[in-house]
Amino acid sequence: TQLLEQSPQFLSIQEGENLTVYCNSSSVFSSLQWYRQEPGEGPVLLVTVVTGGEVKKLKRLTFQFGDARKDSSLHNTAAQPGDTGLYLCAGRNRDDKIIFGKGTRLHILP
Amino acid sequence: IAGITQAPTSQILAAGRRMTLRCTQDMRHNAMYWYRQDLGLGLRLIHYSNTAGTTGKGEVPDGYSVSRANTDDFPLTLASAVPSQTSVYFCASSASYWHEQFFGPGTRLTVL
Repeated sequence: TQLLEQSPQFLSIQEGENLTVYCNSSSVFSSLQWYRQEPGEGPVLLVTVVTGGEVKKLKRLTFQFGDARKDSSLHNTAAQPGDTGLYLCAGRNRDDKIIFGKGTRLHILP
Repeated sequence: IAGITQAPTSQILAAGRRMTLRCTQDMRHNAMYWYRQDLGLGLRLIHYSNTAGTTGKGEVPDGYSVSRANTDDFPLTLASAVPSQTSVYFCASSASYWHEQFFGPGTRLTVL
């Protein structure tokens, strides 16, 4: 079974600091998605990366797909308290099944 | 307002009972999904449907069944609930498989 490992599991930082969240696998994924989930709600899609080496920006967030399409990262520049939430990566594996990582719980302190 | 709805919001159920979780979307999406979310385990796909009339198994299908009689509805049935099925269940839909998924608000199910 292809797995997506997210790190760190938990991250608590001060407002204004930068952070990076990782999503890694030993297998190749055709594409990866990043979602953000707030308490009591369903996840909301942030971005989909498809091409190896692809970089996408969404406001203060920068997403990168590894050259070998086995890993991805989410970088947040000058994090804000409103960025607090659970960040999930998801991939479509070679069996065409959708796999989610276990998530990174992010807490931005004001 | 267009979107995806789930019912009930929460439910406490005795082990061995049958339960159907309802999911309806009005976005005319072809694909629909059921996930369960457990602390420390993230989201796991139970069943999915690429289009009305077809269904497929996800990562954790055992103990669950689904049907897709029409585009809008995708009910999830637990034939005989067990305590390990205590979880938060999310339904989602997308225009086609793997495109942006829109999630419902979730159903919190407790099996005693």
